[in-house]
Amino acid sequence: GESVGLHLPTLSVQEGDNSIINCAYSNSASDYFIWYKQESGKGPQFIIDIRSNMDKRQGQRVTVLLNKTVKHLSLQIAATQPGDSAVYFCAVNLGSGYSTLTFGKGTMLLVSP
Amino acid sequence: EADIYQTPRYLVIGTGKKITLECSQTMGHDKMYWYQQDPGMELHLIHYSYGVNSTEKGDLSSESTVSRIRTEHFPLTLESARPSHTSQYLCASSGPQGARGYTFGSGTRLTVV
Repeated sequence: GESVGLHLPTLSVQEGDNSIINCAYSNSASDYFIWYKQESGKGPQFIIDIRSNMDKRQGQRVTVLLNKTVKHLSLQIAATQPGDSAVYFCAVNLGSGYSTLTFGKGTMLLVSP
Repeated sequence: EADIYQTPRYLVIGTGKKITLECSQTMGHDKMYWYQQDPGMELHLIHYSYGVNSTEKGDLSSESTVSRIRTEHFPLTLESARPSHTSQYLCASSGPQGARGYTFGSGTRLTVV
């Protein structure tokens, strides 16, 4: 199986700061990792993903870092904006042949102007 | 525009009632999932389906049942609702990419009184 852990339930930042949200997983066979953003009253929305054969992937203002040695995943948001306020979840998949995801507990990001 | 629809969005119902939460998707996805989410907490997989007439139980034990008679429709039923069933229920689907292409619905928030 897989368990996915949370490092910090709430993160408060000022607008313009960089945000880092962390996640740990337990199964070394995990192959695929996704970050989701969930706004109040909505379902999770895809932000960025990374395969286990990579250690870094960048998107628009977001970067995901994967450290397989310590089974740790992080999401970095550059120049955080009030619209980034939401709950962020990491999710883990065991890879080819599995389509189900195991989710972490989520970090609520609060961005103040 | 949402491609996966859940109804109702909110439901308050008495103990012992039978309820069905509806989920439909218009993307032709083979794979569909039901997750249960308590406020601010992680999503737990309760049921999934890899296609018509295929249903499997997820990681979290649930007293609910599902059916998959049509590709686009994946309803979840509680035969006798209890207060412990109070939660948010999220439906998702994915296509050939499996875990790499999840789309979530907006959820049904169920309260059993």
